[in-house]
Amino acid sequence: DVKVTQSSRYLVKRTGEKVFLECVQDMDHENMFWYRQDPGLGLRLIYFSYDVKMKEKGDIPEGYSVSREKKERFSLILESASTNQTSMYLCASSLQPDTQYFGPGTRLTVL
Amino acid sequence: GQSLEQPSEVTAVEGAIVQINCTYQTSGFYGLSWYQQHDGGAPTFLSYNALDGLEETGRFSSFLSRSDSYGYLLLQELQMKDSASYFCAVRDTEGGSYIPTFGRGTSLIVHP
Repeated sequence: DVKVTQSSRYLVKRTGEKVFLECVQDMDHENMFWYRQDPGLGLRLIYFSYDVKMKEKGDIPEGYSVSREKKERFSLILESASTNQTSMYLCASSLQPDTQYFGPGTRLTVL
Repeated sequence: GQSLEQPSEVTAVEGAIVQINCTYQTSGFYGLSWYQQHDGGAPTFLSYNALDGLEETGRFSSFLSRSDSYGYLLLQELQMKDSASYFCAVRDTEGGSYIPTFGRGTSLIVHP
């Protein structure tokens, strides 16, 4: 079974803090994705990566950056957290883009 | 660009059959995927259709009509545990995209 893990299930940070969200997958997938999920808005893509050190912006990259130094790990960075970044963050990995495996999510609250 | 439409909510009774529709507008088309997400859980992949027709996996089936830019997820013999949100996702061919776009999700409520 594919396993995608995320570093925290719940996280509370203060405005202006730098926040790191970590995602690890164990299936040697090339593609990894970061989404945020907000009520009524579905899943919106922040960034994705199709190889080590490669990254592409998604639909809503502003205020975020990513890092992929190793194939199994994809990190999402909030350089200076703001209250409008309070959300559920979901990481996914895939061999084929149409079949994604999601992690359990990190519910981030920015105060 | 692309856009997807699916109903925000569908209700049904246990044992019934329910259909969740998804219409899309894309400049090209690779295929249509469906995901299920229970409250507080992660989305899980259900099915993928690249060609016209019906794909069956147990109680769940997924249908695609490329000419109509339309697909649906069919759930039979509904169970209470099927109460969840269901998302369709489409990847188009524009720019060799690796990016599927997700719909806003349909909340399925199954009543006893």
